[in-house]
Amino acid sequence: DTAVSQTPKYLVTQMGNDKSIKCEQNLGHDTMYWYKQDSKKFLKIMFSYNNKELIINETVPNRFSPKSPDKAHLNLHINSLELGDSAVYFCASSQVQNNSPLHFGNGTRLTVT
Amino acid sequence: EDQVTQSPEALRLQEGESSSLNCSYTVSGLRGLFWYRQDPGKGPEFLFTLYSAGEEKEKERLKATLTKKESFLHITAPKPEDSATYLCAGTSGNTPLVFGKGTRLSVIA
Repeated sequence: DTAVSQTPKYLVTQMGNDKSIKCEQNLGHDTMYWYKQDSKKFLKIMFSYNNKELIINETVPNRFSPKSPDKAHLNLHINSLELGDSAVYFCASSQVQNNSPLHFGNGTRLTVT
Repeated sequence: EDQVTQSPEALRLQEGESSSLNCSYTVSGLRGLFWYRQDPGKGPEFLFTLYSAGEEKEKERLKATLTKKESFLHITAPKPEDSATYLCAGTSGNTPLVFGKGTRLSVIA
Protein backbone atom coordinates (compact mmCIF):
# COMPACT_ATOMS: atom_id res chain seq x y z
CA ASP A 1 0.00 0.00 0.00
CA THR A 2 1.27 3.45 -0.92
CA ALA A 3 1.57 5.57 2.22
CA VAL A 4 1.65 9.00 0.55
CA SER A 5 0.35 9.22 -2.99
CA GLN A 6 0.31 12.17 -5.35
CA THR A 7 -1.38 12.67 -8.67
CA PRO A 8 -0.53 13.34 -11.37
CA LYS A 9 3.08 12.20 -11.62
CA TYR A 10 3.71 14.47 -14.60
CA LEU A 11 1.96 17.73 -15.44
CA VAL A 12 2.72 19.77 -18.55
CA THR A 13 0.82 23.01 -19.03
CA GLN A 14 1.07 26.47 -20.52
CA MET A 15 1.79 29.74 -18.81
CA GLY A 16 -1.24 31.42 -17.32
CA ASN A 17 -3.16 28.21 -16.70
CA ASP A 18 -4.51 27.07 -13.31
CA LYS A 19 -3.71 23.55 -12.13
CA SER A 20 -4.04 21.31 -9.08
CA ILE A 21 -1.98 18.51 -7.59
CA LYS A 22 -3.64 16.03 -5.27
CA CYS A 23 -2.11 14.32 -2.26
CA GLU A 24 -3.44 11.63 0.02
CA GLN A 25 -1.87 9.86 2.99
CA ASN A 26 -3.12 6.66 4.64
CA LEU A 27 -0.77 6.76 7.63
CA GLY A 28 -3.16 8.52 9.98
CA HIS A 29 -0.70 11.40 10.36
CA ASP A 30 -1.80 14.75 11.71
CA THR A 31 0.43 17.02 9.65
CA MET A 32 0.96 17.33 5.91
CA TYR A 33 3.41 19.38 3.90
CA TRP A 34 4.24 20.58 0.42
CA TYR A 35 7.89 20.89 -0.62
CA LYS A 36 9.32 22.19 -3.89
CA GLN A 37 12.46 20.65 -5.37
CA ASP A 38 14.17 22.84 -7.93
CA SER A 39 16.45 21.87 -10.82
CA LYS A 40 19.41 21.67 -8.43
CA LYS A 41 17.53 19.15 -6.28
CA PHE A 42 17.14 21.61 -3.38
CA LEU A 43 14.06 20.82 -1.27
CA LYS A 44 12.27 23.87 0.14
CA ILE A 45 9.23 23.93 2.39
CA MET A 46 6.17 25.63 0.95
CA PHE A 47 3.43 24.84 3.45
CA SER A 48 2.76 22.80 6.53
CA TYR A 49 -0.77 22.08 7.67
CA ASN A 50 -2.51 20.26 10.46
CA ASN A 51 -6.07 20.48 11.64
CA LYS A 52 -5.19 23.52 13.69
CA GLU A 53 -3.08 25.77 11.55
CA LEU A 54 -1.63 26.48 8.16
CA ILE A 55 1.92 27.75 8.09
CA ILE A 56 2.99 29.38 4.87
CA ASN A 57 6.59 29.96 3.85
CA GLU A 58 6.65 33.70 3.30
CA THR A 59 8.57 33.30 0.05
CA VAL A 60 5.76 31.34 -1.61
CA PRO A 61 3.69 33.46 -4.03
CA ASN A 62 0.01 33.76 -3.16
CA ARG A 63 -0.76 32.08 -6.51
CA PHE A 64 -0.11 28.86 -4.58
CA SER A 65 -2.79 27.72 -2.16
CA PRO A 66 -3.16 24.48 -0.22
CA LYS A 67 -6.60 23.06 0.38
CA SER A 68 -7.37 20.29 2.84
CA PRO A 69 -10.82 18.66 2.60
CA ASP A 70 -9.91 16.32 5.47
CA LYS A 71 -6.96 15.15 7.55
CA ALA A 72 -5.82 12.65 4.94
CA HIS A 73 -5.70 15.03 1.98
CA LEU A 74 -3.77 18.19 1.17
CA ASN A 75 -4.13 19.42 -2.38
CA LEU A 76 -2.07 22.17 -4.00
CA HIS A 77 -3.73 24.71 -6.28
CA ILE A 78 -1.65 26.94 -8.49
CA ASN A 79 -3.10 29.92 -10.34
CA SER A 80 -1.64 31.80 -13.30
CA LEU A 81 1.27 29.44 -13.78
CA GLU A 82 4.66 30.92 -14.64
CA LEU A 83 7.78 29.42 -16.25
CA GLY A 84 9.60 29.60 -12.91
CA ASP A 85 7.03 27.31 -11.32
CA SER A 86 8.53 24.38 -13.22
CA ALA A 87 9.88 21.98 -10.58
CA VAL A 88 9.10 18.75 -8.78
CA TYR A 89 6.54 19.15 -6.02
CA PHE A 90 6.55 16.70 -3.12
CA CYS A 91 3.80 16.05 -0.65
CA ALA A 92 4.77 14.65 2.75
CA SER A 93 3.20 13.80 6.08
CA SER A 94 4.41 13.31 9.64
CA GLN A 95 2.93 11.99 12.84
CA VAL A 96 3.95 14.99 14.91
CA GLN A 97 4.30 18.49 13.54
CA ASN A 98 7.88 19.41 12.66
CA ASN A 99 9.81 16.95 14.81
CA SER A 100 9.11 13.51 13.44
CA PRO A 101 10.21 11.80 10.22
CA LEU A 102 8.54 12.94 7.03
CA HIS A 103 7.05 10.37 4.68
CA PHE A 104 7.17 11.62 1.11
CA GLY A 105 5.17 10.90 -1.99
CA ASN A 106 6.99 10.26 -5.25
CA GLY A 107 6.56 13.78 -6.52
CA THR A 108 4.79 15.61 -9.34
CA ARG A 109 7.01 16.96 -12.09
CA LEU A 110 5.43 20.22 -13.26
CA THR A 111 6.59 21.69 -16.56
CA VAL A 112 5.29 25.09 -17.59
CA THR A 113 5.80 26.00 -21.25
CA GLU B 1 18.02 31.64 9.78
CA ASP B 2 18.31 27.87 10.09
CA GLN B 3 20.69 26.37 7.54
CA VAL B 4 21.95 22.90 6.65
CA THR B 5 25.06 22.48 4.49
CA GLN B 6 26.17 19.18 3.00
CA SER B 7 29.52 18.18 1.57
CA PRO B 8 30.76 16.99 -0.77
CA GLU B 9 28.21 17.84 -3.44
CA ALA B 10 29.09 14.64 -5.29
CA LEU B 11 31.12 11.59 -4.34
CA ARG B 12 32.30 8.74 -6.52
CA LEU B 13 33.49 5.56 -4.79
CA GLN B 14 34.70 2.18 -5.89
CA GLU B 15 32.70 -0.74 -4.54
CA GLY B 16 34.05 -1.54 -1.08
CA GLU B 17 35.69 1.87 -0.60
CA SER B 18 34.36 3.30 2.67
CA SER B 19 33.78 7.02 3.12
CA SER B 20 31.76 9.65 4.99
CA LEU B 21 29.28 12.36 4.05
CA ASN B 22 29.15 15.55 6.07
CA CYS B 23 26.19 17.65 7.21
CA SER B 24 26.83 20.84 9.14
CA TYR B 25 23.95 22.78 10.59
CA THR B 26 23.13 26.11 12.14
CA VAL B 27 19.73 25.34 13.60
CA SER B 28 18.97 27.12 16.85
CA GLY B 29 18.06 24.62 19.51
CA LEU B 30 18.28 21.57 17.26
CA ARG B 31 15.53 19.11 18.15
CA GLY B 32 16.19 16.56 15.42
CA LEU B 33 18.68 15.80 12.62
CA PHE B 34 17.32 13.57 9.85
CA TRP B 35 18.97 11.62 7.05
CA TYR B 36 17.15 10.61 3.88
CA ARG B 37 18.01 8.72 0.74
CA GLN B 38 16.55 9.83 -2.62
CA ASP B 39 16.62 7.72 -5.78
CA PRO B 40 15.98 9.30 -9.21
CA GLY B 41 12.29 9.89 -9.84
CA LYS B 42 11.36 9.04 -6.25
CA GLY B 43 10.59 10.89 -3.07
CA PRO B 44 13.10 10.99 -0.22
CA GLU B 45 13.11 7.85 1.91
CA PHE B 46 13.68 8.22 5.65
CA LEU B 47 16.85 6.62 7.05
CA PHE B 48 17.66 7.97 10.53
CA THR B 49 16.80 10.53 13.17
CA LEU B 50 19.39 11.74 15.66
CA TYR B 51 18.32 13.84 18.62
CA SER B 52 21.39 14.52 20.75
CA ALA B 53 25.15 14.91 20.40
CA GLY B 54 26.94 11.59 20.70
CA GLU B 55 24.03 9.59 19.37
CA GLU B 56 24.65 7.00 16.66
CA LYS B 57 22.26 4.98 14.48
CA GLU B 58 23.10 2.09 12.13
CA LYS B 59 21.36 0.37 9.27
CA GLU B 60 23.19 -2.19 7.15
CA ARG B 61 26.24 -0.40 5.67
CA LEU B 62 25.19 3.04 6.93
CA LYS B 63 25.96 4.67 10.26
CA ALA B 64 24.88 8.17 11.22
CA THR B 65 26.54 10.17 14.00
CA LEU B 66 25.83 13.57 15.54
CA THR B 67 27.98 16.20 17.24
CA LYS B 68 26.97 19.65 18.42
CA LYS B 69 27.78 21.18 15.03
CA GLU B 70 27.56 18.45 12.43
CA SER B 71 26.46 14.99 11.48
CA PHE B 72 28.22 12.34 9.47
CA LEU B 73 26.83 9.50 7.40
CA HIS B 74 29.46 6.79 7.26
CA ILE B 75 29.21 4.26 4.45
CA THR B 76 31.14 1.06 5.01
CA ALA B 77 32.09 -1.15 2.06
CA PRO B 78 29.47 0.39 -0.23
CA LYS B 79 27.78 -1.49 -3.04
CA PRO B 80 26.44 -0.11 -6.35
CA GLU B 81 22.90 -0.24 -4.95
CA ASP B 82 23.92 2.39 -2.39
CA SER B 83 24.16 4.91 -5.23
CA ALA B 84 21.64 7.70 -4.54
CA THR B 85 21.39 11.26 -3.29
CA TYR B 86 21.65 11.48 0.49
CA LEU B 87 19.83 14.37 2.12
CA CYS B 88 20.29 15.80 5.58
CA ALA B 89 17.65 17.92 7.34
CA GLY B 90 17.27 19.64 10.69
CA THR B 91 14.55 21.21 12.78
CA SER B 92 14.28 23.25 15.95
CA GLY B 93 10.82 21.79 16.46
CA ASN B 94 9.18 25.12 15.69
CA THR B 95 9.47 24.88 11.91
CA PRO B 96 9.32 22.13 9.28
CA LEU B 97 12.49 20.33 8.29
CA VAL B 98 15.16 22.44 6.59
CA PHE B 99 17.04 20.37 4.02
CA GLY B 100 20.59 20.54 2.71
CA LYS B 101 21.28 20.31 -1.01
CA GLY B 102 22.33 16.69 -0.76
CA THR B 103 25.32 14.57 -1.69
CA ARG B 104 25.10 12.56 -4.91
CA LEU B 105 26.82 9.25 -4.25
CA SER B 106 27.93 6.98 -7.08
CA VAL B 107 29.36 3.56 -6.25
CA ILE B 108 31.16 1.93 -9.15
CA ALA B 109 31.47 -1.87 -9.40
